[in-house]
Amino acid sequence: AQTVTQSQPEMSVQEAETVTLSCTYDTSESDYYLFWYKQPPSRQMILVIRQEAYKQQNATENRFSVNFQKAAKSFSLKISDSQLGDAAMYFCAYRSVGGGADGLTFGKGTHLIIQP
Amino acid sequence: DAGITQSPRHKVTETGTPVTLRCHQTENHRYMYWYRQDPGHGLRLIHYSYGVKDTDKGEVSDGYSVSRSKTEDFLLTLESATSSQTSVYFCAISEYGNTEAFFGQGTRLTVV
Repeated sequence: AQTVTQSQPEMSVQEAETVTLSCTYDTSESDYYLFWYKQPPSRQMILVIRQEAYKQQNATENRFSVNFQKAAKSFSLKISDSQLGDAAMYFCAYRSVGGGADGLTFGKGTHLIIQP
Repeated sequence: DAGITQSPRHKVTETGTPVTLRCHQTENHRYMYWYRQDPGHGLRLIHYSYGVKDTDKGEVSDGYSVSRSKTEDFLLTLESATSSQTSVYFCAISEYGNTEAFFGQGTRLTVV
């Protein structure tokens, strides 16, 4: 079974600064997907970014980018120019490619605080 | 936003009573999931469905059952609610079994 570890229960950053959230995972598979989800106080789970393991290029979505290190099984999220609206819980998630109808495996989350 | 509606959004119930949570989608996605979210545990999979009448157990399925009689509806039932089932429950859908999932708004269930 796959496991996902987020070692930072809480992070704090000044508005307009850059912050990196860490995620490591354990798998014996070679093909898979990785995701970052954001959960603001509204409780809604929002997809931030996705990465296919077979792609070497790191995914980017506006101010959000990832550093995907397949050999190290590491998948960190970088948020540039942090904004107050970025304050939320962030969850890293893993999903198998082949025959994986059984959903995503989540880390326990990192609570991101944005200091004005 | 993906068309996923969970009902009810909040519920308080007594220990030992049956509870059914409903997830309704308008996306015609094949795969549907029920997760629970608890502090310090992230989201954990309860049950999932890969088609009408096709369901299977997830990581934390004890005490829960599901049914899917139509593509658009996935029901989660607690046959006899216990205090340990106090949680926030999320429904999710995905078009394929290996892509991102889109989530409903969540249901906060309190068992007293």
